[in-house]
Amino acid sequence: GQSLEQPSEVTAVEGAIVQINCTYQTSGFYGLSWYQQHDGGAPTFLSYNALDGLEETGRFSSFLSRSDSYGYLLLQELQMKDSASYFCAVQDAGNMLTFGGGTRLMVKP
Amino acid sequence: DGGITQSPKYLFRKEGQNVTLSCEQNLNHDAMYWYRQDPGQGLRLIYYSQIVNDFQKGDIAEGYSVSREKKESFPLTVTSAQKNPTAFYLCATTSGTKETQYFGPGTRLLVL
Repeated sequence: GQSLEQPSEVTAVEGAIVQINCTYQTSGFYGLSWYQQHDGGAPTFLSYNALDGLEETGRFSSFLSRSDSYGYLLLQELQMKDSASYFCAVQDAGNMLTFGGGTRLMVKP
Repeated sequence: DGGITQSPKYLFRKEGQNVTLSCEQNLNHDAMYWYRQDPGQGLRLIYYSQIVNDFQKGDIAEGYSVSREKKESFPLTVTSAQKNPTAFYLCATTSGTKETQYFGPGTRLLVL
């Protein structure tokens, strides 16, 4: 089976940088994804890492270390609209996703 | 206008009643999924379908049923056997690469 750990809550100020960590235990690993979900809304895809290293998409970056079973999402130049829940998800060889419990990010002025 | 639609947005179930949640997509995606999300929690997989007329149980399939008669449609029935159905239900699809899941707007199910 799969299990993922991520912090339940993170607070940061507008303009700052925040890192959300995700560690996982898995019986079969294909890649690590990140999704953003605003209150009452649907999750939206942010990034995907299948190989070790950093993937950058605008203000958001995602990192993966397969040997450490660890990844993180880095959000730069935080804006108020970034206040949301962020989920890491492990993709297995059968293309199924197992989601972590989510990290609630609060951005303060 | 491509996308995933779910209806209704809110659904109320009486005890002992079966209810069906609709999920329709015009993205021409083969794979479709149903997730349940409880407040403050992550998403848990109920059922998934990789192709028409075929579907598989996910981690929490008990008390739920699905059908996949058409590529565009993957309805979920919450049966009376599901004793704690209050949750946010999300339908998703994936494209051929399967790296990205696209989610519908969700249906919030409440018990009267």
